[in-house]
Amino acid sequence: EVQLVQSGAEVKKPGESLKISCKGSGYSFTSYWIGWVRQMPGKGLEWMGIIYPGDSDTRYSPSFQGQVTISADKSISTAYLQWSSLKASDTAMYYCARSRGSYWYFDYWGQGTLVTVSS
Amino acid sequence: DIQMTQSPSSLSASVGDRVTITCRASQRISNYLNWYQQKPGQAPRLLIYTVSSLQSGVPSRFSGSGSGTEFTLTISSLQPEDFATYYCQQSYNTRTFGQGTKVEIK
Repeated sequence: EVQLVQSGAEVKKPGESLKISCKGSGYSFTSYWIGWVRQMPGKGLEWMGIIYPGDSDTRYSPSFQGQVTISADKSISTAYLQWSSLKASDTAMYYCARSRGSYWYFDYWGQGTLVTVSS
Repeated sequence: DIQMTQSPSSLSASVGDRVTITCRASQRISNYLNWYQQKPGQAPRLLIYTVSSLQSGVPSRFSGSGSGTEFTLTISSLQPEDFATYYCQQSYNTRTFGQGTKVEIK
């Protein structure tokens, strides 16, 4: 069974750093892309970026380029999304999701990680 | 960036109704159009990919059609479990989502 299991909810202060994770199982982790999607409170879905764990090829949405870093450790089948300096506007639910890459749709999703940034 | 515009933003419908949601792209996107369903408190779920291909396990009352810049998601007979928000997504480049269509109970 394909599963993407994300790390737990986080509460941080503005200016702090954060790295959240997404562990894949039940499939060949290095053969699929892992993407990240933001959903701000009460709002829609925003595509942030995507990584191919097989060779760490990474693509970012222009809206998120330079704001976050996406990485992966294929030895432990885990992808990451990190911030170096959080802002209150980063408060959102973050989902990881799997894509085969040919048509770039997401067929399996993680359960989401809620990030709250507040002073 | 390619902009995706869904209409309507929300709709009220009854069980058994036929429901159609439209998604328009700001430029041609070939068949790089996908549909997702999201229920409150849950992650999105893939329903339709590449315009009209039904994801495994999705009921056949869901269907997709369209080409070029205009696409539709149709629910042939709305069921209680279909009340949710639906998003289109273009995966031609930058992979943007539409703003969502909330389907509510009439």
